[in-house]
Amino acid sequence: DTEVTQTPKHLVMGMTNKKSLKCEQHMGHRAMYWYKQKAKKPPELMFVYSYEKLSINESVPSRFSPECPNSSLLNLHLHALQPEDSALYLCASSQDKGGGRNEKLFFGSGTQLSVL
Amino acid sequence: QKEVEQNSGPLSVPEGAIASLNCTYSDRGSQSFFWYRQYSGKSPELIMFIYSNGDKEDGRFTAQLNKASQYVSLLIRDSQPSDSATYLCAVNKGDDKIIFGKGTRLHILP
Repeated sequence: DTEVTQTPKHLVMGMTNKKSLKCEQHMGHRAMYWYKQKAKKPPELMFVYSYEKLSINESVPSRFSPECPNSSLLNLHLHALQPEDSALYLCASSQDKGGGRNEKLFFGSGTQLSVL
Repeated sequence: QKEVEQNSGPLSVPEGAIASLNCTYSDRGSQSFFWYRQYSGKSPELIMFIYSNGDKEDGRFTAQLNKASQYVSLLIRDSQPSDSATYLCAVNKGDDKIIFGKGTRLHILP
């Protein structure tokens, strides 16, 4: 299994809603990532988990809350989002973080989020 | 200076010709370099990675790295219409952050 699975594929939410994005991989990868991508822009790093611990938070607003329940799962909890948070949210995994040359990213298909 | 710079294009190349995509990076401590392909509405897909100076070939793709000039390139030989996509250069600066350039849109002309 070489897939990273993200659910849901599309999400529309109001600014007062609470929702969660889910990501799952069964490749035995130890690092998992959240990226945000706006139209015609590159992916922007949000969070990195390594061995189920948060290792990088790129100064992301607290209305985004990541969680890594186990080595295969990664969640992104959303609360009180703003319309400018509308974007494609990409989950990725890699065998390990950088430094060991095992950091090739495998991306899920993404969740297209619209905040109204 | 942006950390990873690419010409946004579009780069138009006739079918069967060689497409040449370029990328420069600012951090001399960068260790790992990647090329991802992204079709419209899809997620990025890794097509090449390179760690050492020189060339690395895989099928129709060749990645070239010159650390002294802080330059990475991707050559696509015998370009096909299916190669039309955005190509993202990505760099691991050595701090475990994989940073993407803004991408070059490639259009292969039939």
